[in-house]
Amino acid sequence: NAGVTQTPKFHILKIGQSMTLQCTQDMNHNYMYWYRQDPGMGLKLIYYSVGAGITDKGEVPNGYNVSRSTTEDFPLRLELAAPSQTSVYFCASGTGGANTEAFFGQGTRLTVV
Amino acid sequence: GENVEQHPSTLSVQEGDSAVIKCTYSDSASNYFPWYKQELGKRPQLIIDIRSNVGEKKDQRIAVTLNKTAKHFSLHITETQPEDSAVYFCAASTGGFKTIFGAGTRLFVKA
Repeated sequence: NAGVTQTPKFHILKIGQSMTLQCTQDMNHNYMYWYRQDPGMGLKLIYYSVGAGITDKGEVPNGYNVSRSTTEDFPLRLELAAPSQTSVYFCASGTGGANTEAFFGQGTRLTVV
Repeated sequence: GENVEQHPSTLSVQEGDSAVIKCTYSDSASNYFPWYKQELGKRPQLIIDIRSNVGEKKDQRIAVTLNKTAKHFSLHITETQPEDSAVYFCAASTGGFKTIFGAGTRLFVKA
């Protein structure tokens, strides 16, 4: 199993542009999450999904959108990128909710200039 | 809302010494406390977790203790090795879908 795979690993985006961060998992997990990690800060939950067709906001959803059309894929969309969205983004999946282990992807380092 | 504070932010120890990282949480309903290790440039990975019905859990050189009354929990690493050098995150959850992470502790183990 590849686990959780994110693409791209690095990206530079111009202010006002849009892009999609891809995340796919092959562990048949129902639960998937998107976090952002800023220097000196813990991981902050952006959006989560409990299954195909079901998504909900986390702690810091503004400026982002998600979709979950299949169990495997959970893309994160940035619209009208702002410098405040410069961060490392981690996708994660799990068999249950927050009381179970989260399996993380390798991260996407995004810079908005 | 729920908050998790983690100390210290940086910890430097000599190889073979013990390392202790402490976290406090604010929501008394928290019932699951995982610890993740993130090596430089890598993904966070779970190293140990503890649930609220247990006061201590051990796995080889690492152990976690939980004090529900004081709302704090700690990670203990004994006989530290250079490969233990990483950032360690504590976290707490009350169930549901939200896990609150601490800000992380950067551990340096000097050979």
